[in-house]
Formats: sequence, C-alpha cells, structure tokens
Amino acid sequence: GAGVSQSPRYKVTKRGQDVALRCDPISGHVSLYWYRQALGQGPEFLTYFNYEAQQDKSGLPNDRFSAERPEGSISTLTIQRTEQRDSAMYRCASSLEAASPLHFGNGTRLTVT
Amino acid sequence: GQQVMQIPQYQHVQEGEDFTTYCNSSTTLSNIQWYKQRPGGHPVFLIQLVKSGEVKKQKRLTFQFGEAKKNSSLHITATQTTDVGTYFCAGENDMRFGAGTRLTVKP
Repeated sequence: GAGVSQSPRYKVTKRGQDVALRCDPISGHVSLYWYRQALGQGPEFLTYFNYEAQQDKSGLPNDRFSAERPEGSISTLTIQRTEQRDSAMYRCASSLEAASPLHFGNGTRLTVT
Repeated sequence: GQQVMQIPQYQHVQEGEDFTTYCNSSTTLSNIQWYKQRPGGHPVFLIQLVKSGEVKKQKRLTFQFGEAKKNSSLHITATQTTDVGTYFCAGENDMRFGAGTRLTVKP
C-alpha cells in the first residue's frame, strides 16, 4: 500500500476484554515495529520483527501483551484481559530494513473503560 | 537496548529565535535518526546520521552527530510557526525513542 495502515483507528473496550490491533506495513518492508505512546510522551518501544521473526520483545509490559507477524507482512498486537492502564495510542511503523527510516501509521487509539 | 535522553523537555521561543535540542546516549550508537511529530499527528522521519562528527543541513535545520557517536543535536535557525511540534531522536537497531523536546513558537 501507499503507507502503513492500522486498524481500527479507535477502539473502546471494557476492562477484562481482549483486543487485537492490526498493522499492515508498506509492501516490501522487512522490519515492523510496535510502539505505545501516551499523551505528551515519546513512543515507547514494545517489540519488533524482521520478516516473520520477532527480534526483540523486551518492551512488552507483561505477558498479557503479545504480537505476531506470521507471514512477514501484516502484524497483530494482542492485549489480553485489558486494564485501564492499557489505554494509549498504539503505533506501528515499518522500515525497508532494520535501522532504516521508520514510516508510521496513524495509530490505534485504545480506551479501556 | 540503549537509552537516549533528550533535553530540554520543553522549549518556548519567539518566532525568529533559534532553537536547539540535544540527544545523549549512554552507549555508542551505530546511527541516530530524528523525527518530528506535529500535534495530533504521527512521527515523521527527518534525517539519519551515521558517521562520527557528521553534519547535515535541511534548509533551516542543522543536525550533528558527535565524534564519539554518543550524542546528537538538532538546531533550527530563525524558527517559524510551522516548526511547532515535538522532536524525537531514536538510535540503534531497536529504534528506541527519546522522550522528545516539545517546541512551541510564539508569533
């Protein structure tokens, strides 16, 4: 596609529910990153992939968070048993290769009530 | 991953004044990237620095990478209202971001 696409744009869920956030990177981009950004803060690294391999998941806050990129293209970030503190903007970015410039999507605004 | 620290956290300037933000790492970086995020937008790539002591310019913006590749700076000459936003640095393969410097410009 022309850019990184994230869906949904907005997600409101009740505490305890699971959510799945989708990222469709730029075609041909090898690396895909997930970030969480609170208002007025910088993007907080969560995890990243090269192709389908998860290279670093040290930024995932706890075991309720997981991510996959099974075919090396689309990625899903899943949050199980959501909590209010999970409310934030979740951003996905892709790059041609590791350490290349990142192209960000518009993000998914998650609100846990 | 490495930690990158940015200062200042906020900067408010009068239009026409200069602005500088600094990025410091505790470890040597293979490269550093700078991004700008406008209010309500997403981070947009500005530039990448790779070489020790490298200096790059984009119109009124000047980017420097330190000799030891542990620090970097972004300098804006004669700020304009269009420069408003938050400027982030990010380094290394895992692309961890600093907290950013939020620039506001008074017309």
